[in-house]
Amino acid sequence: SQQGEEDPQALSIQEGENATMNCSYKTSINNLQWYRQNSGRGLVHLILIRSNEREKHSGRLRVTLDTSKKSSSLLITASRAADTASYFCATYTGTASKLTFGTGTRLQVTL
Amino acid sequence: SQTIHQWPATLVQPVGSPLSLECTVEGTSNPNLYWYRQAAGRGLQLLFYSVGIGQISSEVPQNLSASRPQDRQFILSSKKLLLSDSGFYLCAWGMGVAYNEQFFGPGTRLTVL
Repeated sequence: SQQGEEDPQALSIQEGENATMNCSYKTSINNLQWYRQNSGRGLVHLILIRSNEREKHSGRLRVTLDTSKKSSSLLITASRAADTASYFCATYTGTASKLTFGTGTRLQVTL
Repeated sequence: SQTIHQWPATLVQPVGSPLSLECTVEGTSNPNLYWYRQAAGRGLQLLFYSVGIGQISSEVPQNLSASRPQDRQFILSSKKLLLSDSGFYLCAWGMGVAYNEQFFGPGTRLTVL
């Protein structure tokens, strides 16, 4: 089963609005990462948050992590049309050098 | 700086034909290397990963195999393709435990007819 599950599966907003995506996972983690994928392209790493961190910022991105609820959220503020993409969370458990990806949230930002 | 290459970008192959996808990384040494498959509109499924030359770990029993003949070269192969092998194949690299993020190639779109 998927370690990470994103919610919602799809999100449509207007430019300038904030977009929030959530990720839930099942087992203990070392860190949780968010990636972005433009249509038909490879994934791009956005941000990594470690299990002992609760919040992290990078530009217009804000990530929170709640290990007690086994969940994370990605907030994109003041969205732009160029933010249109799929966003994936991925968890790293440390038992092997591998990430487990969720199924993704498709974000559509319209003008 | 590090770069990762994948080729070909797209491939259309008949059922039963062989497959060879290549991935190379530049600008780093002894990376961990990964092959993923992504079905349309879905997340990534880890197929194989390698922590060194000749060291391959398989995650999912399937019709595919992987090899790492050189430190920065990772090859995905099949002797006979199935319809179910269609998908978007992504190669990625990462460094050990200290740097967990992975860096992805542009992907190969494989269609098996």
